[in-house]
Amino acid sequence: GENVEQHPSTLSVQEGDSAVIKCTYSDSASNYFPWYKQELGKGPQLIIDIRSNVGEKKDQRIAVTLNKTAKHFSLHITETQPEDSAVYFCAASIDQAGTALIFGKGTTLSVSS
Amino acid sequence: GAGVSQSPSNKVTEKGKDVELRCDPISGHTALYWYRQSLGQGLEFLIYFQGNSAPDKSGLPSDRFSAERTGGSVSTLTIQRTQQEDSAVYLCASSSRQGSPLHFGNGTRLTVT
Repeated sequence: GENVEQHPSTLSVQEGDSAVIKCTYSDSASNYFPWYKQELGKGPQLIIDIRSNVGEKKDQRIAVTLNKTAKHFSLHITETQPEDSAVYFCAASIDQAGTALIFGKGTTLSVSS
Repeated sequence: GAGVSQSPSNKVTEKGKDVELRCDPISGHTALYWYRQSLGQGLEFLIYFQGNSAPDKSGLPSDRFSAERTGGSVSTLTIQRTQQEDSAVYLCASSSRQGSPLHFGNGTRLTVT
């Protein structure tokens, strides 16, 4: 089955800096790659996703890149703000019915002002 | 509108007792997932229901764990003869279809003493 590795486990940046989180996956058939943000005491919430027919997707300060050949994808957050502090999870799955979403172990991002 | 609702929000139980955790998905969502989140760990997939198809139980860690989904809506995760290592946050999520964003509840924090 699918296995997702995520790095780093913790990341500390200064407000205004960029943050990059990287994930690798094992199943070459995977074609759907979402990113979730989890704040303390709450369930994870989708922030951006990408499918394998595109290499990059951007939404304001957040971008995701995908390299299918190398089987890795990354989350980029620019101009970080204190409210970006949270745990971020990457995930991968095959986009077809009956296939579960498999998550990485998460990255705790701390943005200091 | 109403999101995914989980109950109870917190549960403390004695080792060896059985527990039931409940999930009310968003109305109309056909896919329902259970994940376990242990301290410092990622989201561990447990079980996945999709419509009327047979559930994907490949993530259940032992035969003490079971889940059902009645009428395609409410789901119950049951843990029999609880052990201390079962202590974790149990998260439920639903989605409208494969490849759609998962909507998570806030989880049930289970503590086994």
